[in-house]
Amino acid sequence: DTAVSQTPKYLVTQMGNDKSIKCEQNLGHDTMYWYKQDSKKFLKIMFSYNNKELIINETVPNRFSPKSPDKAHLNLHINSLELGDSAVYFCASSQDQGWDGYTFGSGTRLTVV
Amino acid sequence: SQQGEEDPQALSIQEGENATMNCSYKTSINNLQWYRQNSGRGLVHLILIRSNEREKHSGRLRVTLDTSKKSSSLLITASRAADTASYFCATDRDDKVIFGPGTSLSVIP
Repeated sequence: DTAVSQTPKYLVTQMGNDKSIKCEQNLGHDTMYWYKQDSKKFLKIMFSYNNKELIINETVPNRFSPKSPDKAHLNLHINSLELGDSAVYFCASSQDQGWDGYTFGSGTRLTVV
Repeated sequence: SQQGEEDPQALSIQEGENATMNCSYKTSINNLQWYRQNSGRGLVHLILIRSNEREKHSGRLRVTLDTSKKSSSLLITASRAADTASYFCATDRDDKVIFGPGTSLSVIP
């Protein structure tokens, strides 16, 4: 069983479209995250939810909206996609604030054309 | 700004050699973590060292932490081709875990 699973794995879409990425964890963790990894492999945190409550919201455009229906799911919706949104998006989960380590999903490669 | 930065950015060694990667950070930490990322995959947690620890081992991995120099090193002994990956250090800052830019390790068979 995959601990943190995110779908889709690849997403190619045109500028201006709206798309969603889904993430689910079966580890019973309290906290889930979205990270963006750029072409230079730099990982930047975007959002963090603890038990469905938003606790970290970095400087991310309003076009990005996370939604956590329950503590096992954290989805990311992106409106009006731009070329600069092209990246790999990783979902992760941890117990509490992650001081004992994160478990990452395998990533969603988003390409905006 | 980044909390942790790895050095070197890229490292290429022969199979069987040891690989050493360094991480420097700016502010005080509670712990430091190392992760591995294989090409096209997510990050995998390797080892965590707490601020009151100086050295930790896990299999062929050895991590050291020098809080006075605000630096850590990851040593992989007897490297294998399967160790080819990017390695990231991560530190806590402002209740967040911040990742460095990573070291890309190539192990040549």
